[in-house]
Amino acid sequence: RKEVEQDPGPFNVPEGATVAFNCTYSNSASQSFFWYRQDCRKEPKLLMSVYSSGNEDGRFTAQLNRASQYISLLIRDSKLSDSATYLCVVNRVYNQGGKLIFGQGTELSVKP
Amino acid sequence: GAGVSQSPSNKVTEKGKDVELRCDPISGHTALYWYRQSLGQGLEFLIYFQGNSAPDKSGLPSDRFSAERTGGSVSTLTIQRTQQEDSAVYLCGSGTAPLSNYGYTFGSGTRLTVV
Repeated sequence: RKEVEQDPGPFNVPEGATVAFNCTYSNSASQSFFWYRQDCRKEPKLLMSVYSSGNEDGRFTAQLNRASQYISLLIRDSKLSDSATYLCVVNRVYNQGGKLIFGQGTELSVKP
Repeated sequence: GAGVSQSPSNKVTEKGKDVELRCDPISGHTALYWYRQSLGQGLEFLIYFQGNSAPDKSGLPSDRFSAERTGGSVSTLTIQRTQQEDSAVYLCGSGTAPLSNYGYTFGSGTRLTVV
């Protein structure tokens, strides 16, 4: 079982739709959480950090449930420019170091 | 510079040759990661540097791979006797701390092709 699992998609949605991505992680020692966005043949870019209380940035809402080891990303009123692969990322700290663990990504395609 | 800089951006090499990939992290960032991403695949952890601590090399796929970070800044990833399965995009990322709510910033990568 992968340490971070996501639905690979692809999700094909029309403009204006609401879409939700789910992610689960297996290591309870995970301590910080992120959603990254990766466009085709580009590097991953930080979309938002995920906090226990949930957080919102414009059309994007992230939620974290530590008890269930579950992370979600909600995109409202989706735009064509939201088309990308969304990566769930977990930061596991141990000893004096840390390791970013990436999910395989969920592909989103927003159509006119 | 303002971001993470990687060089070269593209590298084509013959099987069996050695290559060096360079990463200039954001100034002041103590944490530095190397990942690789094969076509259509997720990011595979290679190595992690944090300040003066011993690096976490647990992701290096074989002893042909090595990395160093000089002066807590620039890092070089070396692949000896390259094989075709080494072809991938090699990404370097840096951050302020092992545990950071600000995430990590990645360079645009080095696309390595072994022919």
